[in-house]
Amino acid sequence: AQTVTQSQPEMSVQEAETVTLSCTYDTSESDYYLFWYKQPPSRQMILVIRQEAYKQQNATENRFSVNFQKAAKSFSLKISDSQLGDAAMYFCAFHKITGNQFYFGTGTSLTVIP
Amino acid sequence: EPEVTQTPSHQVTQMGQEVILRCVPISNHLYFYWYRQILGQKVEFLVSFYNNEISEKSEIFDDQFSVERPDGSNFTLKIRSTKLEDSAMYFCARTGLAGGPSYEQYFGPGTRLTVT
Repeated sequence: AQTVTQSQPEMSVQEAETVTLSCTYDTSESDYYLFWYKQPPSRQMILVIRQEAYKQQNATENRFSVNFQKAAKSFSLKISDSQLGDAAMYFCAFHKITGNQFYFGTGTSLTVIP
Repeated sequence: EPEVTQTPSHQVTQMGQEVILRCVPISNHLYFYWYRQILGQKVEFLVSFYNNEISEKSEIFDDQFSVERPDGSNFTLKIRSTKLEDSAMYFCARTGLAGGPSYEQYFGPGTRLTVT
């Protein structure tokens, strides 16, 4: 079975600063995908970034980047130059190569302080 | 990518009643998914649906739940006899146009179900 753990229920960051959200996972799979989803107050789930486990290079999307440590089974999200619109719940998620479902963590609530 | 529409946005029902939640994707989408998020908890997979059949389901998806795509367009989740613990946000998701990998899932805005 796959499990995803987010050990930080809440985080806060000053506007324009950088924050890192932690995620660890457990799997016996050798290849898989990892994701960060953002859920603003509207409750819509929005894809932030995706990482393929076979790629050594960390994924980057504008101000969002990940630190993927496969051996440690760690997948953290770094948000640079934080903006007020980044305030949301952030979920880390795992997806096997085969199969259909996502496995989500419990989420980290990010507050951006003006 | 076109978004997924879900109706209603909020449903209030009494315990024991049947509810039907609807997802309106683009007609040529093949894979659909339902997820549930109890308030303050993580998003949990319920079921995946491909070519008018359930392809995978979780332990949560018991006999109280069913899915179908009756008119070839709307994808529905039915809860036969709701319980208080069914109160949650229910998200529909789809893969990209014309199938696509299941890890590329696009979520709808969700339906908030409140069981009283």
